[in-house]
Amino acid sequence: ETGVTQTPRHLVMGMTNKKSLKCEQHLGHNAMYWYKQSAKKPLELMFVYSLEERVENNSVPSRFSPECPNSSHLFLHLHTLQPEDSALYLCASSQGNGYEQYFGPGTRLTVT
Amino acid sequence: KQEVTQIPAALSVPEGENLVLNCSFTDSAIYNLQWFRQDPGKGLTSLLLIQSSQREQTSGRLNASLDKSSGRSTLYIAASQPGDSATYLCAVRPRGAGSYQLTFGKGTKLSVIP
Repeated sequence: ETGVTQTPRHLVMGMTNKKSLKCEQHLGHNAMYWYKQSAKKPLELMFVYSLEERVENNSVPSRFSPECPNSSHLFLHLHTLQPEDSALYLCASSQGNGYEQYFGPGTRLTVT
Repeated sequence: KQEVTQIPAALSVPEGENLVLNCSFTDSAIYNLQWFRQDPGKGLTSLLLIQSSQREQTSGRLNASLDKSSGRSTLYIAASQPGDSATYLCAVRPRGAGSYQLTFGKGTKLSVIP
């Protein structure tokens, strides 16, 4: 595997379900990001981890819970989501602050 | 608060034409600006990164310019091909230690007609 990978690529879940999105980077980077991309809106930064510590949290509802167990892996735990949370969730990584960000292919999430 | 605008929202050109995509931002205190390409339903591919001290960057048929004082960047694509069809996004990073924030525009959807 190379670059940034994300699983699953597609996810359909009910509002009462609990699921997790996984991201793995194979680039030796030390910062990882979660973004949300909704139709007709710009990408929104959700969370940033640097050296496994959360450094930014952009007022994201608590039904989204990130986890970064090591510098190569990032998770987004989801519970009791709303239909408006349906979107493409993108993971990215970078060598550090100010460096180029590399994106994964995304997880297309549909909340029914 | 930084705002990034990309005009036009969509552009259709015949194959072989040269074209320019525009990006403007409201706060000139930026660290760098990055251009991305996104294919439908896919992630982003980084095209070019311009530091605030630079005026332009080139990669193959792509040339990106930056005029920080006027809050503008352009992405020039030479001799367009159908494979260039995608949405092009620009994003700016603010100056200032500790901020990882990238502010994105909504993108320009490019269609290159064979």
